Parts: sequence; structure tokens; C-alpha cells
Amino acid sequence: EAGVAQSPRYKIIEKRQSVAFWCNPISGHATLYWYQQILGQGPKLLIQFQNNGVVDDSQLPKDRFSAERLKGVDSTLKIQPAKLEDSAVYLCASSFLAGGGETQYFGPGTRLLVL
Amino acid sequence: GENVEQHPSTLSVQEGDSAVIKCTYSDSASNYFPWYKQELGKRPQLIIDIRSNVGEKKDQRIAVTLNKTAKHFSLHITETQPEDSAVYFCAASYGANAGKSTFGDGTTLTVKP
Repeated sequence: EAGVAQSPRYKIIEKRQSVAFWCNPISGHATLYWYQQILGQGPKLLIQFQNNGVVDDSQLPKDRFSAERLKGVDSTLKIQPAKLEDSAVYLCASSFLAGGGETQYFGPGTRLLVL
Repeated sequence: GENVEQHPSTLSVQEGDSAVIKCTYSDSASNYFPWYKQELGKRPQLIIDIRSNVGEKKDQRIAVTLNKTAKHFSLHITETQPEDSAVYFCAASYGANAGKSTFGDGTTLTVKP
């Protein structure tokens, strides 16, 4: 079974620029998550989709971050404009069941550096 | 919301010794507690999980225990090997919110040969 795919793997931008990340979950997985992992910390949930609907985006800085999951499969996460403190690894994960407590499978992440 | 605290932040053991990492959570509704291993520059990978209706679960050299009353759970690694060196994260989630997970800040485990 193919794993969660993410691109790009690395991105360097200047502050105030825009950036977008892409995620392709495991086929058939209903739930998709975007996490922000700052160096030395655990992953922090930004947004959670169930199929193409948003389940939780309470920790998403909506003034600069946006995400969508059109057709309930692939997802994109965008930052506009980026700030220095957005430097982190952005992890996408997916899980099979729409209910809670199921195993999450992580992608390799996108490492973002904002200069 | 849920708050997960993880201790210690770093742990160094000799090869063959045991390692124990502890996590506490705040929300009594949490019912699923996974542990992830993250090697440097790689993705987190699930190594073991436990649900709230079970007190202990074991998989070869790895075990997890859960105390619902005290709201804490622990990861136990026996006969540690150098390849166990990594960052370990605990997490807590509950089904009512479709699996929203709150992660601890991680424990860096170093196993010295």
C-alpha cells in the first residue's frame, strides 16, 4: 500500500511571501490532518478534514493559513503571507475510519524555512 | 481542550537497560493513546497504542500501561538497542471529535552501545 505523499519536501521563502503544500493521503482514508511541528516540539494539529468537510480548525491561524480538500482526496495547505515563526515541518496524516481513535499514518513532511 | 505533558524530555540509557517514558493527560474523555517514534528527519511512525478499556498492552520489547483514574500512561522499552534511539511522542485523542490528537512534546531517547 502506498503511503501518504507530500510535496515539496523542502521550501525556503522570504517573509511575506506565499507558499503552498500538497498532500495525497492513503487511498480510501476518510480523514486527513495537517500538523505543524516546530523544532523540539510535538506535532500541533492545524486542521482536520473528514472527507471534504472541516472537522476541526480551531488552531489554524486563519488570517494567514488556509486549507482545502476538494473532492475529499488531495489537500493543499497555504500560508499567505508567511512569517518567520512559520518555519517548521508541516506534516500531513490520514486515517481510515471517520470515527475517532484510529491509527494515523504520516507523510514525510515539508520542511519550511522562512527568512 | 486536551493537554498532554510528557516526561522526561531526554533520556539516556545503556544498551540492554530498560527505558520508561510517562505522559499525563487532562481530558477524562480521551480514550485512545498512541505512541509514535520519530527518527531524525523522518516521519512519526506508530509503534504501539492503547484504548481506554485496556490497562496494558505489550508487543515484544515494547509495552504501554494506562491508568485512567490518574490520567497517565507510560511507554516501557526493555532490552534497549542502539536502533531504539529516536524521539518518542505520546498522544491522546477521543472519538467524539473524530480522532483529534494532542501530542506531547517528545522524549529524546539515546541508547549507548
